[in-house]
Amino acid sequence: QSVLTQPPSASGTPGQRVTISCSGSSSNIGTNNVNWYQQFPGTAPKLLMYRNDQRPSGVPDRFSGSKSGTSASLAISGLQSEDEADYYCAAWDDSLNGWVFGGGTKLTVL
Amino acid sequence: QVQLQESGPALVKPSETLSLTCSVSGGSISSYYWTWIRQPPGKGLEWIGYIYFSGSTNYNPSLKNRVTISLDTSKNQFSLRLSSVSAADTAVYYCARGGPYDFPPYNWFDPWGQGTLVTVSS
Repeated sequence: QSVLTQPPSASGTPGQRVTISCSGSSSNIGTNNVNWYQQFPGTAPKLLMYRNDQRPSGVPDRFSGSKSGTSASLAISGLQSEDEADYYCAAWDDSLNGWVFGGGTKLTVL
Repeated sequence: QVQLQESGPALVKPSETLSLTCSVSGGSISSYYWTWIRQPPGKGLEWIGYIYFSGSTNYNPSLKNRVTISLDTSKNQFSLRLSSVSAADTAVYYCARGGPYDFPPYNWFDPWGQGTLVTVSS
């Protein structure tokens, strides 16, 4: 059981807007920044979003992040087939004194 | 740009010690938090621990008694040792760079190595 809670799956059709949630607690998301990683099958995760809503160079602006209280969200607008991947949220946990991840959300583009 | 590459045995026997090395190229290891993360087949990511360039370490409490992460600045490498392994330790092991701030909660992992699958089996 992961410390951060994500829906196991999400889906949408091309062009749609999809949101993936990440729920935590006061010791992690409530206090610290959230980062998001994208992982394609058989490959390593890649940084997709950092410090809640900052996109690394090269990440399309179709991807956006937000945080409110003890939850965070990743939104993908103008969904494309190449967005089909697993998405993980992560945050520092003050109680654990270390990093925690969500269980991951498998995004399917219908 | 900085690249990371894991290396080590793909098969480890139960009760033995898993040893992996991460080679860093394109940048110096003398900064940042050098991190190990693992992913059991078909499952999510688990943070194992990190070593700061100063040599200080921090481990996941669930693995703390079995984990050692060390740094070799002369070779621009860092290593993971996980003792008394069992089938539950079968996973893809990733090394990653954590940074860029001195305060860990401010950081993120980028880049990552490609990962190496380690199977624990007799």
